[in-house]
Amino acid sequence: EAGVTQFPSHSVIEKGQTVTLRCDPISGHDNLYWYRRVMGKEIKFLLHFVKESKQDESGMPNNRFLAERTGGTYSTLKVQPAELEDSGVYFCASSQGAPGNEQFFGPGTRLTVL
Amino acid sequence: AQSVTQPDIHITVSEGASLELRCNYSYGATPYLFWYVQSPGQGLQLLLKYFSGDTLVQGIKGFEAEFKRSQSSFNLRKPSVHWSDAAEYFCALNDYKLSFGAGTTVTVRA
Repeated sequence: EAGVTQFPSHSVIEKGQTVTLRCDPISGHDNLYWYRRVMGKEIKFLLHFVKESKQDESGMPNNRFLAERTGGTYSTLKVQPAELEDSGVYFCASSQGAPGNEQFFGPGTRLTVL
Repeated sequence: AQSVTQPDIHITVSEGASLELRCNYSYGATPYLFWYVQSPGQGLQLLLKYFSGDTLVQGIKGFEAEFKRSQSSFNLRKPSVHWSDAAEYFCALNDYKLSFGAGTTVTVRA
């Protein structure tokens, strides 16, 4: 069974550009989460999908971030326009069943904004 | 509000020696606690979890953790460290979304 995959693994963009990160959860997992780790800080929750619905987006930093999960399968996280402070590693995780169950993480996307 | 604290940013241990990583939490109810490990270039891998019941939890790779409610702690231990245990370790509290500690980087010296 394939694990959680994320694309790209690295992205380097200029300030003001747009970047879209993609996450493919484990097949059959209804819960999908986005987390972010900014350099030197803790891993922070961004948002949670159940199927295609946003259950909690309280961790989204601002309206430059837009997450979607069309059809309840893969998810995208778009940053537009990117700022320097958006640099970090973006992790996606998925789980099945109750939201408190084990979350399986992808390898992360390292975003660098210059 | 819930929070997780890992007091040690970096620990160096000799191969074959024991390892203990500290984790303290703040939460208003019985917590669901996890330890994850991230090796260089890899994603986060679950080592073990505590939901309820036995307070000594066994995990993968020879790790164990003990939940102590009176101390609000969930410390991770391994009796004998291998060079492959060099990684960053995260304690996390699961309230359907994970709250992570800052992480502890473990260096293993020969």
